[in-house]
Amino acid sequence: NAGVTQTPKFRVLKTGQSMTLLCAQDMNHEYMYWYRQDPGMGLRLIHYSVGEGTTAKGEVPDGYNVSRLKKQNFLLGLESAAPSQTSVYFCASRPRANTEAFFGQGTRLTVV
Amino acid sequence: RKEVEQDPGPFNVPEGATVAFNCTYSNSASQSFFWYRQDCRKEPKLLMSVYSSGNEDGRFTAQLNRASQYISLLIRDSKLSDSATYLCVVNPMNSGGYQKVTFGTGTKLQVIP
Repeated sequence: NAGVTQTPKFRVLKTGQSMTLLCAQDMNHEYMYWYRQDPGMGLRLIHYSVGEGTTAKGEVPDGYNVSRLKKQNFLLGLESAAPSQTSVYFCASRPRANTEAFFGQGTRLTVV
Repeated sequence: RKEVEQDPGPFNVPEGATVAFNCTYSNSASQSFFWYRQDCRKEPKLLMSVYSSGNEDGRFTAQLNRASQYISLLIRDSKLSDSATYLCVVNPMNSGGYQKVTFGTGTKLQVIP
């Protein structure tokens, strides 16, 4: 069972470069989320989606864009990477409200 | 005030001890609550849901106090393998009618031989 898969798992970017993180889930979940985790800050919500074609801003959306063109995929884009975006990024999905969220293994991103 | 607050710890306890964590939340309309466990450099994984009447799963007991807006996790007979960060999760509805998944910053537990 694949569950939630994130690609890539590691990446080093130079300041100003762009990249897209892919989150794919094979559980037919409606809700998907992108978080970043920094030491001492916990998991902070960047963007989320409650269904195919919908997206919404979370707690720390600046510098990121997202798209949910297909139900199983949730893409997180960094248009112009900054060192402040160095973090571990987690994607999560869940079938509906008030249910368990399942996480991908994370993407460790370093911006130099 | 943060939506969800936890004591970051670390809690250093000997094997066999009982340890309890609390988590407070600010949104009184929050609908569901969970405890997750996160091992170092790994993704969070569900430990247990928290029900209004309280619930137990082996050595773990979760409680919800809606009046005081906090949830708790009790671990009995601590094992070395319990060493991890414990995250509380609260699901409030936002103004758009959608439900967020909001995490506390986590409480670090270190069980000592």
